[in-house]
Amino acid sequence: KNEVEQSPQNLTAQEGEFITINCSYSVGISALHWLQQHPGGGIVSLFMLSSGKKKHGRLIATINIQEKHSSLHITASHPRDSAVNICAVPTPGGRGGGNKLTFGTGTQLKVEL
Amino acid sequence: KAGVTQTPRYLIKTRGQQVTLSCSPISGHRSVSWYQQTPGQGLQFLFEYFSETQRNKGNFPGRFSGRQFSNSRSEMNVSTLELGDSALYLCASSLAGGLYEQYFGPGTRLTVT
Repeated sequence: KNEVEQSPQNLTAQEGEFITINCSYSVGISALHWLQQHPGGGIVSLFMLSSGKKKHGRLIATINIQEKHSSLHITASHPRDSAVNICAVPTPGGRGGGNKLTFGTGTQLKVEL
Repeated sequence: KAGVTQTPRYLIKTRGQQVTLSCSPISGHRSVSWYQQTPGQGLQFLFEYFSETQRNKGNFPGRFSGRQFSNSRSEMNVSTLELGDSALYLCASSLAGGLYEQYFGPGTRLTVT
């Protein structure tokens, strides 16, 4: 079982639909990152959250620390939202301190006209 | 402010050679992490440097090494290249590690022939 699991792995939606991507994790400490990777490889950070909900434009991220679960929602989806969305959890590092990111496998999202 | 830069962007090497990749973080960021991304394994953590010290290391062989300079710029080196080292290598900078927002560079696409 992966330490960070995302669902679904692939998602095709019609323009305007409400989209939800889920992330469950068994490791890590009290925070989670949502990242987005477009074709060509570049990764951008969408959210880093440790409680409750954050909103940025049409994107909303929620987290339940007790249940180790987070969701990424996209409202009024558009073809330009087509990308791979990845959740990542900081996990405690070694003796050096700090923490490293453990990644989910990503959700390939395609939004069609 | 300027983003994270990585050089070179593309690289073709032959098995057995070695390669050095460079990452310049955002000014003021002290943590630089390196990741390998392949279609089969997804994103995997290589190592993290903080204030010139390697703080965390992933499960990669000793052929993978790195360092960080006093200006926070970081390099990673892969010796005795193998075909399986072909991947996208990404670095990310942050103020102080995984509990802070991550800023990713565009990546270096390494092809080993």
